[in-house]
Parts: sequence; C-alpha cells; structure tokens
Amino acid sequence: RKEVEQDPGPFNVPEGATVAFNCTYSNSASQSFFWYRQDCRKEPKLLMSVYSSGNEDGRFTAQLNRASQYISLLIRDSKLSDSATYLCVVILTGTASKLTFGTGTRLQVTL
Amino acid sequence: NAGVTQTPKFQVLKTGQSMTLQCAQDMNHEYMSWYRQDPGMGLRLIHYSVGAGITDQGEVPNGYNVSRSTTEDFPLRLLSAAPSQTSVYFCASSYARGFYEQYFGPGTRLTVT
Repeated sequence: RKEVEQDPGPFNVPEGATVAFNCTYSNSASQSFFWYRQDCRKEPKLLMSVYSSGNEDGRFTAQLNRASQYISLLIRDSKLSDSATYLCVVILTGTASKLTFGTGTRLQVTL
Repeated sequence: NAGVTQTPKFQVLKTGQSMTLQCAQDMNHEYMSWYRQDPGMGLRLIHYSVGAGITDQGEVPNGYNVSRSTTEDFPLRLLSAAPSQTSVYFCASSYARGFYEQYFGPGTRLTVT
C-alpha cells in the first residue's frame, strides 16, 4: 500500500462549483500534513497546512481526520484559475526532513 | 529575491554521459533537497542537506551524487546517465529541517536516450 494515496482524477467541475479531494495516509505516526498546488509543467507551491482543528483560507478549507487517516481539501466557488494538480504531503514523526508526496489530484475547472 | 533557481531547464543526454544539475537559493535556507517527479509516482526524494558540508541520502539516491560546499548551492551530479533517469528534477529549500514550507525551483526536464 502506498504511504500517501490520492485519486488522480481528473475532477472536471464547472466554474462556481464546490469540489472536495481526499488524501489517505497509511502510517498512523504521521504528524504534519500539507496541500501543495502544482500547475502544469511548473513547480509545486504550498497551498496550505492542515491542522488538527482544520483551517480555512478564503475559498479553501483543509481538514484532518486522524481516526480514518485522511486529509481533505474543499474548494468553494471554483475559479478557472484553480485548475491545477493538488498534491497531498505528509511528514512522519521522527523523519522531519522527509516529506512524502502523493501523486496528486488533477482539477479542471470549466466555463 | 530570485528564490530557488535551477539550470538547465531542459537537457538531453546519451546513456553513459555524466552531468551536473545546478541549484541555488538566495533565501539563506539551511535545508535543501532534490526530488524527481515521474508520472504516477509522485515526488521522490533523492538527496538532501541540512547545512553546508552535510548531505544524506533520500529515497532514491542510486546513480546520483550531491555536495554542499556553500549554503547557497546544492548541485546534483548524474554519474552515468541511464534511460531510467529520464524525469523532471526539482530542487527545493526551506528554512530548516522540520515542518517548514518547501520552496521549489522551476525544475529541470531531463531525457536520457
């Protein structure tokens, strides 16, 4: 089983829609969680951290479910500019230098 | 601030050739790392460094060497290129070892024929 798993998509949604992605992780000792965004043929960039209490940044909400070992990203009122691949990143306790990346979920927002 | 820069952007090598991918950052970050990204595999850590003079292996280090003589630079050397090393290579840096934002360079697209 992969350490971090994501549905590759693509998720095709119309502008204005709400869309959610999940990311599951296999190691219960995982300590920190992030969402990165990667545009086509570009480098990944940090979108947001995921806290135990959940966090929100504008139209984006990230949540953590430790019991079921997944994190989620919710995007409300999707924009064309949200089209990208969203990478889930997990850091295991005791391996602070090593980030484990998921393969990403591709989102395509259409008119 | 240029952030993290990588050269070259594209490279084609023949099997057996060697080359160095350059990475530099101007943010005075202690921690630097190299990843490769392949379709369906996600980003995989090749080597990393927690400061000048200190390097360590990541998940897929075979066929690659690194050195860190300065805080700013972290070159990745391919010793004898193989078609399996065809990939997109990203260099990243962050403030320190730990749970900090990783800043990525624009990537080097390498093809080995």
